Amino acid sequence: ENVLTQSPGTLSLSPGERATLSCRASQSVSGNFLAWYQQKHGQAPRLLIYGASSRATGIPDRFSGSGSGTDFTLTISSLEAEDFAVYYCLQYDTSPQEFTFGPGTKVEVK
Amino acid sequence: EVQLVQSGAEVKKPGESLKISCQASGYTFRTYWIAWVRQTPEKGLEWIGIILPADSDTRYSPSFKGQVAISADESLSTAYLQWSSLKASDTAMYYCVRHYAGFFAAWGQGTLVTVSS
Repeated sequence: ENVLTQSPGTLSLSPGERATLSCRASQSVSGNFLAWYQQKHGQAPRLLIYGASSRATGIPDRFSGSGSGTDFTLTISSLEAEDFAVYYCLQYDTSPQEFTFGPGTKVEVK
Repeated sequence: EVQLVQSGAEVKKPGESLKISCQASGYTFRTYWIAWVRQTPEKGLEWIGIILPADSDTRYSPSFKGQVAISADESLSTAYLQWSSLKASDTAMYYCVRHYAGFFAAWGQGTLVTVSS
């Protein structure tokens, strides 16, 4: 099983600041099958980034993803009020077919 | 527009059976894998398993194999997650999701399952 670790656990920032979230895998993520999700309280997760760096439809360009192998980053260039939420990474193994989520990073208002 | 609409919240007793559903619309149901995801405060998001409705090919996470069953009915464009004997530890929010190219783009609204005596 490819275990994902996210850091930090909590990020305290002010609106307008830059947020940098890390997702580290215990084994290389094949095919860059790494996605990022945002979840707000009481809602289902929302896809932000897939394929490590491709923005999903309708996602603002202040969200960007980067990385390869075992180290991936989600960057929010300038935090808006609606960006304070929990962020999860997800990786996919093709053989065997398995999916693993990271434990999440909470971005909170400082 | 792709939509996944899940059945409503359930309150059950330990040992009871349960089947929750996820009805898809806005795309060809049979051609996309549908997965189930569990969320709890203690363990976060966990992948349970996945099914391809076209041939009912089903895969399970080792953590959930033997604990649940996933099925699909093409004629109803609906996927199911079922338990034969619930435990308190099955209390969670369950999401159905549509898989494409290694990620889950579409999510159902979630079904809260509470198991308590």
